[in-house]
Amino acid sequence: KNEVEQSPQNLTAQEGEFITINCSYSVGISALHWLQQHPGGGIVSLFMLSSGKKKHGRLIATINIQEKHSSLHITASHPRDSAVYICAVENYGGSQGNLIFGKGTKLSVKP
Amino acid sequence: EAQVTQNPRYLITVTGKKLTVTCSQNMNHEYMSWYRQDPGLGLRQIYYSMNVEVTDKGDVPEGYKVSRKEKRNFPLILESPSPNQTSLYFCASSFGQIEGYGELFFGEGSRLTVL
Repeated sequence: KNEVEQSPQNLTAQEGEFITINCSYSVGISALHWLQQHPGGGIVSLFMLSSGKKKHGRLIATINIQEKHSSLHITASHPRDSAVYICAVENYGGSQGNLIFGKGTKLSVKP
Repeated sequence: EAQVTQNPRYLITVTGKKLTVTCSQNMNHEYMSWYRQDPGLGLRQIYYSMNVEVTDKGDVPEGYKVSRKEKRNFPLILESPSPNQTSLYFCASSFGQIEGYGELFFGEGSRLTVL
């Protein structure tokens, strides 16, 4: 079993829809990252959070440390949001600096 | 401009021919790390460095070496590349704060093919 599980693996939405991507993990962590990878391959950091909630524009990330779960929400989705979204956790119980990744959620937003 | 620079971006080589992929950052970051990305397996950490002269193995270190002699540079060395090291490689850096390691900045990736 992977230590970091993302769902869904693939997601197709219509422009304007509210989108939720989930990340569950089984290890104790110090922080969780949400990353975005566009079809060209480049990776961009969206959020790093260790508790609560963060918001950047139309993106919202939440984390529940007790339940070992995080969600990434996209409001008013747009075709330019089409990308792979990757969750990564910093392994607090293991070595500092060690990151474990989920396999990603491929999002396609149709106009 | 804040950036992480990897070179080369694309490389085709042959089994056994030593190669180095360079990674340089201009943000005075303490933490640097290398990852490989393979279809179906996602991103996996190869090595990371919390600071100069401090390096640690990630999840898939076999066949790779690293060094951190300067804060800005973190080269990835493949002493004797094999076809199973054909992959897309990313370098990343951050400030490495105590509570977490800050926002990760990624290089553009290096696509390596070993024949």
